[in-house]
Amino acid sequence: KAGVTQTPRYLIKTRGQQVTLSCSPISGHRSVSWYQQTPGQGLQFLFEYFSETQRNKGNFPGRFSGRQFSNSRSEMNVSTLELGDSALYLCASSLAQGGQETQYFGPGTRLLVL
Amino acid sequence: SQQGEEDPQALSIQEGENATMNCSYKTSINNLQWYRQNSGRGLVHLILIRSNEREKHSGRLRVTLDTSKKSSSLLITASRAADTASYFCATDVEGNMLTFGGGTRLMVKP
Repeated sequence: KAGVTQTPRYLIKTRGQQVTLSCSPISGHRSVSWYQQTPGQGLQFLFEYFSETQRNKGNFPGRFSGRQFSNSRSEMNVSTLELGDSALYLCASSLAQGGQETQYFGPGTRLLVL
Repeated sequence: SQQGEEDPQALSIQEGENATMNCSYKTSINNLQWYRQNSGRGLVHLILIRSNEREKHSGRLRVTLDTSKKSSSLLITASRAADTASYFCATDVEGNMLTFGGGTRLMVKP
């Protein structure tokens, strides 16, 4: 089975721009979660989607948004980019709705904001 | 905010030695998971231990969970140079919202 895929792998943007990242979960997985990893804050939960509905949201500003499509693929969008948004963005997929389920991570998208 | 705190932050050992990493957390959990990350790449799932389990094994990995102390440990036996990576514990408190610790950077010298 193919793993979680994320595109693009690397991205360079300038302040004020917006960016869209994509995540394709493992076939059959219906839950997709997004995480941000920075040297200063570590790994932080952004949001989780299940069956096209956002179920949980982390403590991030409204500039961070996401969605999930009927085929479970997910996108996250960051508008009005700031320098501090430079990070590794990871998505993870799992089978079920929550709890007791392993989350499988993709390779990440490394975003650099100049 | 981070739920888990890992100890030590960095660990350097020789090949063949055992490596032990500890994780403490603050609230009740559904399960605790350990992940490995190589050089800022994606996270590789190692093991999941449920709140009603006390110990789990997977190959050279042994994980313990003490819910009364809100702590877990990961033991890697007979370490190899390929085990060099950062190791993170993550607690599942609500749904699929994992809260990660700061990680332990393990270096295994050949």
